[in-house]
Amino acid sequence: DVKVTQSSRYLVKRTGEKVFLECVQDMDHENMFWYRQDPGLGLRLIYFSYDVKMKEKGDIPEGYSVSREKKERFSLILESASTNQTSMYLCASRLRDFLNPYEQYFGPGTRLTVT
Amino acid sequence: GDSVTQMEGPVTLSEEAFLTINCTYTATGYPSLFWYVQYPGEGLQLLLKATKADDKGSNKGFEATYRKETTSFHLEKGSVQVSDSAVYFCVIQGAQKLVFGQGTRLTINP
Repeated sequence: DVKVTQSSRYLVKRTGEKVFLECVQDMDHENMFWYRQDPGLGLRLIYFSYDVKMKEKGDIPEGYSVSREKKERFSLILESASTNQTSMYLCASRLRDFLNPYEQYFGPGTRLTVT
Repeated sequence: GDSVTQMEGPVTLSEEAFLTINCTYTATGYPSLFWYVQYPGEGLQLLLKATKADDKGSNKGFEATYRKETTSFHLEKGSVQVSDSAVYFCVIQGAQKLVFGQGTRLTINP
């Protein structure tokens, strides 16, 4: 089974802190994604990565950056956390596979609260 | 741009009731369509998918048919169980990325 793990289930940070959210997948997937999930808004894509050292902005990249130094790990960084970044953050990965090109596998999520 | 509109929740049903969650989409071309489910405390997981017009996706008693003429992909189940309580997302494959509906929270009472 594909496993996507996230470093924390719950996190509380103060305004202005630098925050790191880590995601690791164990199935050698090329593509990885970071989303935030807010009530009534569904999932919105923050950043994605096609492969190691590659990154692309999603729909809401402002206030975030990412790092993909190893294939299995994709980090989301909040350079200076703000209260409007309080949310559930979900990581996903996907095999670049022509038979199932678009199925993504999700981690359990990190609920981040910024006070 | 591509977008998905799904039935607003929350939806509350009794066990063994019939379920429909409506989903319509706007997209260029013929995207693949998905339903993802999020059980309490977990990440999203793929429930079913359809990749072309008139395809029917099915899994765990749930079904959805790709209707190109009405740009819809409604989720149905004939007899829901308490264990079906979750948030359901209608999703389309947009250009390079998935586009999610806002989610519908479903609660099934025994």
